[in-house]
Amino acid sequence: QLQLQESGPGLVKPSETLSLTCTVSGGSISSNSYYWGWIRQPPGKGLEWIGSIYYSGSTYYNPSLKSRVTIFVDTSKNQFSLKLSSVTAADTAVFYCARSPLRTFNEWYFDYWGQGTLVTVSS
Amino acid sequence: QSVLTQPPSVSAAPGQKVTISCSGSSSNIGNNYVSWYQQRPGTAPKLLIYDNSKRPSGIPDRFSGSKSGTSATLGITGLQTGDEAEYYCGTWDSSVSAGLYVFGTGTKVTVL
Repeated sequence: QLQLQESGPGLVKPSETLSLTCTVSGGSISSNSYYWGWIRQPPGKGLEWIGSIYYSGSTYYNPSLKSRVTIFVDTSKNQFSLKLSSVTAADTAVFYCARSPLRTFNEWYFDYWGQGTLVTVSS
Repeated sequence: QSVLTQPPSVSAAPGQKVTISCSGSSSNIGNNYVSWYQQRPGTAPKLLIYDNSKRPSGIPDRFSGSKSGTSATLGITGLQTGDEAEYYCGTWDSSVSAGLYVFGTGTKVTVL
């Protein structure tokens, strides 16, 4: 059974860089059949796609966050990671990692999700 | 603000049926497949429907999806207390150059 688990600091100071890692178990991140993505949800609000990566390193970012986001993959550890720079209080959210089958963009969906991790931006 | 609009809430008694609409445009729903997610309080979203109307393994046929033009609909029949959750639609949006995946505004389902 595929499992995804987010990890990283729960508190980040304003203007600093938020860093999270998603560890995949029960399956290989190097599979050529999936994208691996990050989605966030501010407290009490809706879902926002941050970006996704293919195991080869190809990335796809939400244009509204692109200037601050980097997603990269470490196939040796079966992990992929998120960095979000210059954070503000508006970046406080639960961050989820998720898998999406390799399809054309207009067919995307997310079939497996991590449990999520709350990151608070505060001094 | 999401480009996909859902009603904030719907409610019905146990055993009844509810439908949740997801309204978009030709840049998103009109030309792309829609998926639906269930999020119970304090938990991660769970895929209910993909490709407009397909159910992943393990999702009961009480849940159904459809699409017409620039709108999509999720139906839940035989409503159960365990169906109380927030429901989100999702699809690709190509209104900006690179495109992005977007989620709906979310609908809270209450079982009376």
